Amino acid sequence: GAVVSQHPSRVICKSGTSVKIECRSLDFQATTMFWYRQFPKQSLMLMATSNEGSKATYEQGVEKDKFLINHASLTLSTLTVTSAHPEDSSFYICSASRAASADTQYFGPGTRLTVL
Amino acid sequence: KQEVTQIPAALSVPEGENLVLNCSFTDSAIYNLQWFRQDPGKGLTSLLLIQSSQREQTSGRLNASLDKSSGRSTLYIAASQPGDSATYLCAVRSDTNAGKSTFGDGTTLTVKP
Repeated sequence: GAVVSQHPSRVICKSGTSVKIECRSLDFQATTMFWYRQFPKQSLMLMATSNEGSKATYEQGVEKDKFLINHASLTLSTLTVTSAHPEDSSFYICSASRAASADTQYFGPGTRLTVL
Repeated sequence: KQEVTQIPAALSVPEGENLVLNCSFTDSAIYNLQWFRQDPGKGLTSLLLIQSSQREQTSGRLNASLDKSSGRSTLYIAASQPGDSATYLCAVRSDTNAGKSTFGDGTTLTVKP
């Protein structure tokens, strides 16, 4: 149990377009979801924390108008990269947990975004 | 602010050796610590999860220990195999601060046949 999926697994887009990445908890209800970004040969950096039904909390240095996060249901959170540029090319990974802190995080398989 | 450090950054060993990867963290207010494996260009594979109240977890040839008071965890890999070659990440989840996880930079392991 406790499976998290992401869609798409890989996306290539032109500069200036917007890309939406979905994160779904398949067999549990996720009160909290986290979005991470990983640049090549670097570790994962937390971008934002989203709680169902409320606005996401962004980490310092992450542009909330560029990375739009929606957590409209207990099983789905979306990350939209608006007006993507080549420097946004990265590996985006989400995780989900039933509660804010008193539960294990389950990680999705990641989405590789390439902006041309 | 939690900081997670992994040493060494890279490790190369001959097949069959036992090895230890280290992870240290600065804030002991953790909920759990998790070790992951990541193959090049791939996502994370969870290896072992240690809750803050636990001292160690074992799975097959892997054993992870946790010493919360000293801010350290080790991942022990017994009888290493070429298929163990990957980057190993440790992540510490806070029991405050909205339960955020902080990742180390990883140890890249190469096991030579």
